[in-house]
Amino acid sequence: AQSVAQPEDQVNVAEGNPLTVKCTYSVSGNPYLFWYVQYPNRGLQFLLKYITGDNLVKGSYGFEAEFNKSQTSFHLKKPSALVSDSALYFCAVGFRGYSTLTFGKGTMLLVSP
Amino acid sequence: DTEVTQTPKHLVMGMTNKKSLKCEQHMGHRAMYWYKQKAKKPPELMFVYSYEKLSINESVPSRFSPECPNSSLLNLHLHALQPEDSALYLCASSQAPAGGYNEQFFGPGTRLTVL
Repeated sequence: AQSVAQPEDQVNVAEGNPLTVKCTYSVSGNPYLFWYVQYPNRGLQFLLKYITGDNLVKGSYGFEAEFNKSQTSFHLKKPSALVSDSALYFCAVGFRGYSTLTFGKGTMLLVSP
Repeated sequence: DTEVTQTPKHLVMGMTNKKSLKCEQHMGHRAMYWYKQKAKKPPELMFVYSYEKLSINESVPSRFSPECPNSSLLNLHLHALQPEDSALYLCASSQAPAGGYNEQFFGPGTRLTVL
């Protein structure tokens, strides 16, 4: 069975500092990995995905993520956090031939001024 | 147009009411999804439509009835709901086939309260 873990319920970072939101996965086979962000009272918004190829994926709003097969991780990063990045972040995994995504529990990111 | 729209934004209904949630997209996507989301939790998949046919029903109670009238529209008919059904209901769409490497585009959701 596939699973996704986001080990931190909340991440706090000061504006201007780099941020990392962690995601690890447990699957057999080759996963497709996604990051979504959810602002208060809104739907989820796609940030980036890894399918194959270059392990460093760049996405929207200056976010990037690195696929690490040996550590089964797909951490989300940004070099310089903004207060407006404060939101709930979900990591998700999908597979070829499967219609569903498996979501992590979510990590709340709080960026302080 | 890269937007998924959902109506209404908010809905309050009694346990004996019948209501419907609507979702629309004009991105040419042939896969559409209904999710239920409780506060600060990940979305839970309810239904998947692929090419206007129901392909996945995640053991959802029959008081929820989905409908896909055409490739742009998705409805969720509600009847005899329970208070525990109160949640944010999210619609999403993606290129077909559903899932796999296709990212999903989400609507803003309908906040449902069942009294």
